[in-house]
Amino acid sequence: GEDVEQSLFLSVREGDSSVINCTYTDSSSTYLYWYKQEPGAGLQLLTYIFSNMDMKQDQRLTVLLNKKDKHLSLRIADTQTGDSAIYFCAETTGGGADGLTFGKGTHLIIQP
Amino acid sequence: DVKVTQSSRYLVKRTGEKVFLECVQDMDHENMFWYRQDPGLGLRLIYFSYDVKMKEKGDIPEGYSVSREKKERFSLILESASTNQTSMYLCASSLSGGRARNEQFFGPGTRLTVL
Repeated sequence: GEDVEQSLFLSVREGDSSVINCTYTDSSSTYLYWYKQEPGAGLQLLTYIFSNMDMKQDQRLTVLLNKKDKHLSLRIADTQTGDSAIYFCAETTGGGADGLTFGKGTHLIIQP
Repeated sequence: DVKVTQSSRYLVKRTGEKVFLECVQDMDHENMFWYRQDPGLGLRLIYFSYDVKMKEKGDIPEGYSVSREKKERFSLILESASTNQTSMYLCASSLSGGRARNEQFFGPGTRLTVL
């Protein structure tokens, strides 16, 4: 079946760039998403990328997609303490109500 | 903006009680979902619904049931709560599954503790 893999933890210094990585197995994925979950809250859609793109930039966020290797990354420039959260990678093949497959989430820890 | 609300942020129940978790969305979304989230296990899909009165089992439906009598409301029912159902429960909604970009919008979650 479909699978989405992420590292469980990432620790970075405040002001550095954070790069959160994700791999997926379904070659027919059409959209890939990054969600952010702050402590005690639900998931918030951060950004998404369509599978025919290889990069998307939105202010401090850069998403890179390597479709050949089925690898997705989220780069956060100038990481701030407010970026401390769990980041979930998710993918969809674009059909059906049960369309999203989530990774287990990466805890981003910011060191002062 | 899409708003998904859940009836309680925190809930404490006793083993054997019947528990109702309510979720309401205000954007006329066809699809609604219930997940549970546990440390190290990520999000696991319990049930989902793609229309009123329709429901489909997710990956871990055992011990749960759902009800969708109105389009905007999706209820998760624990018929007889057990301690292993202590978890964070997240509700989500999305537009029709026929769309490729069917991102899900999440509620704030209900942290359920079963004693």
